[in-house]
Amino acid sequence: GQNIDQPTEMTATEGAIVQINCTYQTSGFNGLFWYQQHAGEAPTFLSYNVLDGLEEKGRFSSFLSRSKGYSYLLLKELQMKDSASYLCAAMDSNYQLIWGAGTKLIIKP
Amino acid sequence: DTAVSQTPKYLVTQMGNDKSIKCEQNLGHDTMYWYKQDSKKFLKIMFSYNNKELIINETVPNRFSPKSPDKAHLNLHINSLELGDSAVYFCASSQGGTEPFTDTQYFGPGTRLTVL
Repeated sequence: GQNIDQPTEMTATEGAIVQINCTYQTSGFNGLFWYQQHAGEAPTFLSYNVLDGLEEKGRFSSFLSRSKGYSYLLLKELQMKDSASYLCAAMDSNYQLIWGAGTKLIIKP
Repeated sequence: DTAVSQTPKYLVTQMGNDKSIKCEQNLGHDTMYWYKQDSKKFLKIMFSYNNKELIINETVPNRFSPKSPDKAHLNLHINSLELGDSAVYFCASSQGGTEPFTDTQYFGPGTRLTVL
């Protein structure tokens, strides 16, 4: 079956670095997405990886290993506004997005 | 400019009623989606339309029906509402086609449906 696993909740300190992991199993693979969602708001696109390696965008970076079915989202210089849920989603061979349940990130001063 | 808009933002209604949620995108995208976000914040896809053709229809009750009058609109109609239908419903759109790296989904603000 198709499955996405990511931690339910993580806590980090303002100014620090946090890595949110995601493992996936899909029927075929057409890329992996990371979204940020604040409570009560729509998800916001953060990154897309389809090739192995690290993609950096400012304070956020995303890494993909297709052979391991693994991705992570790296957040640097954490700010209080980064407190949100982070959703990992993998696209299968039919271009359908398979979503994880999300990781709630709590930032403490 | 709002890329993906939904109306209403909040909907409170009684069990058994019929209601619709409207979605419009002005991005010129070919594909639109409806998601249901449950109490655990898990997003579950319900429908996907590409150029007015249904391409994904997950296992949802047939009380839910998508209606797409044109490429820019995908409305969600729900008949005989039940308590378990209470959730946040998100509309999204994407470019679609065969190039997955362009298939980023852009979400609307969500509609919080409460069935009493």
